[in-house]
Amino acid sequence: GAVVSQHPSWVICKSGTSVKIECRSLDFQATTMFWYRQFPKQSLMLMATSNEGSKATYEQGVEKDKFLINHASLTLSTLTVTSAHPEDSSFYICSAALPAGGPPYEQYFGPGTRLTVT
Amino acid sequence: QKEVEQDPGPLSVPEGAIVSLNCTYSNSAFQYFMWYRQYSRKGPELLMYTYSSGNKEDGRFTAQVDKSSKYISLFIRDSQPSDSATYLCAVFKAAGNKLTFGGGTRVLVKP
Repeated sequence: GAVVSQHPSWVICKSGTSVKIECRSLDFQATTMFWYRQFPKQSLMLMATSNEGSKATYEQGVEKDKFLINHASLTLSTLTVTSAHPEDSSFYICSAALPAGGPPYEQYFGPGTRLTVT
Repeated sequence: QKEVEQDPGPLSVPEGAIVSLNCTYSNSAFQYFMWYRQYSRKGPELLMYTYSSGNKEDGRFTAQVDKSSKYISLFIRDSQPSDSATYLCAVFKAAGNKLTFGGGTRVLVKP
């Protein structure tokens, strides 16, 4: 149980275009989902926390107008990278937290999406 | 200063050896301590978590926490080539409701 999927797994786009990444919890409802960014050989950096039905909370230094997050249902959150540039090329990983009542730290991670902007 | 420090490695060991990994953290408010394994181009997978100081064992894995020193460790006994991955420590405090990761240590177990 507790499977999280991401789509697409790899995307290449041209500079200036927008890209949408989907994160789905397949067998549980996730009130809270998280979006991380990981550069090669570096750790995961939290970009934002998204709660179903409300606006995402962005970490300091993350441009909310560039990285649009929508959490419209309990099983789906999307991250849209708007007007992508080569420096946005990275590995984007989402995670989903179990509903309230479980251990607060327990997040299940998706397999990640590799974004390459040319 | 980063909140969680972890030696990036790489750490290369022969098959069957004990792998020793560690992290230090700066904030005594952190309450939960986790170890994740991440294979190349995959999402992290939770291996173990601990809440208090002391040891916790799960099969070949042992996690240790020393809150007085703000030091956490993971030991892998009888290492296998399939253990080759990046190991990430992470800390969590309920007030912030977010995980903070160390930089990860790349481990290579040679047959």
